[in-house]
Amino acid sequence: EPEVTQTPSHQVTQMGQEVILRCVPISNHLYFYWYRQILGQKVEFLVSFYNNEISEKSEIFDDQFSVERPDGSNFTLKIRSTKLEDSAMYFCASSDEGIQPQHFGDGTRLSIL
Amino acid sequence: AQSVTQPDIHITVSEGASLELRCNYSYGATPYLFWYVQSPGQGLQLLLKYFSGDTLVQGIKGFEAEFKRSQSSFNLRKPSVHWSDAAEYFCAVGRPGGGNKLTFGTGTQLKVEL
Repeated sequence: EPEVTQTPSHQVTQMGQEVILRCVPISNHLYFYWYRQILGQKVEFLVSFYNNEISEKSEIFDDQFSVERPDGSNFTLKIRSTKLEDSAMYFCASSDEGIQPQHFGDGTRLSIL
Repeated sequence: AQSVTQPDIHITVSEGASLELRCNYSYGATPYLFWYVQSPGQGLQLLLKYFSGDTLVQGIKGFEAEFKRSQSSFNLRKPSVHWSDAAEYFCAVGRPGGGNKLTFGTGTQLKVEL
């Protein structure tokens, strides 16, 4: 069964540095998402992306964050000038046209020191 | 705004016993409803989904859920729990249509006693 893959599985970064989290969505999917889960808390929506532009974003997704689909297979989340509170598990998801459910990757654990 | 409540943070059941995990949602119309499971260090795996039609939906691993509009609930059930079912379970709600965000509950941690 096709799956969403995320790299790296764990990223350790110094506060203030930029980090890029990478995702390869399922190949025929059209909608892409990023969610995050702070340790011990619920999964929170960050952003959705369709047709090469952001379709929806949460209040968490401020100017520090950006997303990009640099080619036909990758979907990235960039966090500029990371803060301690950015430490979390970041999940990428994708879905097909219509009412298909979202399929999630295994996540990238981001640790800000 | 859509929201999800999972009132049970932790549940412990004996292997072979039945299981019911509660989920209540808040949404103006009939939403799309999902249950996901997360094993330690893993991503979110879809157990089942409800979009419309039959209010009792079957999922993977022997799980089922029932949509009750009058109670705004979508409880997850399994008749006989296996030790491998120990994980965290998340209920999620989404706006009908493609490409819409999911709003998750806080999750229920299931422990299975042998």
